[in-house]
Amino acid sequence: GAVVSQHPSRVICKSGTSVKIECRSLDFQATTMFWYRQFPKKSLMLMATSNEGSKATYEQGVEKDKFLINHASLTLSTLTVTSAHPEDSSFYICSARDVRGSYNEQFFGPGTRLTVL
Amino acid sequence: AQSVTQPDIHITVSEGASLELRCNYSYGATPYLFWYVQSPGQGLQLLLKYFSGDTLVQGIKGFEAEFKRSQSSFNLRKPSVHWSDAAEYFCAVAGGNQAGTALIFGKGTTLSVSS
Repeated sequence: GAVVSQHPSRVICKSGTSVKIECRSLDFQATTMFWYRQFPKKSLMLMATSNEGSKATYEQGVEKDKFLINHASLTLSTLTVTSAHPEDSSFYICSARDVRGSYNEQFFGPGTRLTVL
Repeated sequence: AQSVTQPDIHITVSEGASLELRCNYSYGATPYLFWYVQSPGQGLQLLLKYFSGDTLVQGIKGFEAEFKRSQSSFNLRKPSVHWSDAAEYFCAVAGGNQAGTALIFGKGTTLSVSS
């Protein structure tokens, strides 16, 4: 159990377009999901916490108008990169919190590689 | 503020040799600690985790880690490294009082394996 998927796994887009990335918890409900970003050869940094039915909480320095997060259901959170630019190229990874266990552990998706031309 | 330090940016070991990757954390309460491995272009794979109990934790692929509260460390070890272990390794700590709070990652250690 506790499987998290992301779609797409890879996306290439032109500068100025918007890209939507989906994060799904496949076999459990997740009221909380997290979005992380990883630059090449760098560590993962938390971008935002996505809460079902409410607004996302963004980390300092993350533009909420550029990285739109929607957590419309208990199994789906989406990250939309609006008006993407080459500097937005990165590896985006989501995780979902599973509250069925004793520790409310989070499980990671496989990531989405975004390349903006 | 919570933080994770991985002092070694890059380590090279010979195939068959033992391995220890260092991780130090800063957290006031009992930490929830993780080690992940990432192959190039891939996502994260959980190697092992420490939540409570026995401070020596066994993970997948023959890895183990020991939680030492007095040293604020959670070092990863493997007695005999295989070429397929070459990858990026990340230590992480949960940023809050639950394992399910957002993780704070170290900068990672790149492991190279020589033949």
